[in-house]
Amino acid sequence: ILNVEQSPQSLHVQEGDSTNFTCSFPSSNFYALHWYRWETAKSPEALFVMTLNGDEKKKGRISATLNTKEGYSYLYIKGSQPEDSATYLCAFTSNFGNEKLTFGTGTRLTIIP
Amino acid sequence: ETGVTQSPTHLIKTRGQQVTLRCSSQSGHNTVSWYQQALGQGPQFIFQYYREEENGRGNFPPRFSGLQFPNYSSELNVNALELDDSALYLCASSPGTTSSYEQYFGPGTRLTVT
Repeated sequence: ILNVEQSPQSLHVQEGDSTNFTCSFPSSNFYALHWYRWETAKSPEALFVMTLNGDEKKKGRISATLNTKEGYSYLYIKGSQPEDSATYLCAFTSNFGNEKLTFGTGTRLTIIP
Repeated sequence: ETGVTQSPTHLIKTRGQQVTLRCSSQSGHNTVSWYQQALGQGPQFIFQYYREEENGRGNFPPRFSGLQFPNYSSELNVNALELDDSALYLCASSPGTTSSYEQYFGPGTRLTVT
């Protein structure tokens, strides 16, 4: 059984502060690790897809790292802004041949102005 | 480029009824996946269609079925609705290559079963 776990479940961060959260996933049969940002009433938006151990990706103030040997990824947000308030989902894809995403339950981030 | 669209946005059904949800994939994408997100959980994989054929199925009973059409749009059908089927149903499309496995999601259909 594949399990993806995210922590914390929710957090509140003061505007301007930096924050990070964790995704852990099975390290066997790994193909890709995905991060999505999901604002209420909108479509989940793809942030990063990472495939290689040691990958680091950055998009503006948001970055992510990947460790496939130990099965974890970190998402970092620098200088949080109110528009960063959203649920951040990570999802794991195995190398079994289809594109099934196995999701964690998400981290709900609220930025306090 | 048109993104992934889903219809309807919301619907309410009675236990035992049948429902059809629709998804239009992003232009150029030949693969559609369906996910169910129940309250407090992450999205759960239902099944995937690639070029009109089912290409993988999650742990859902046979009363969950699907179709993909020649234009790569897709339907999710659920028969004999149960209260636990109340959830947000998401579809995602992808180009069907092995280079990225990146999936693009629609906004979802919120199904309430009473």
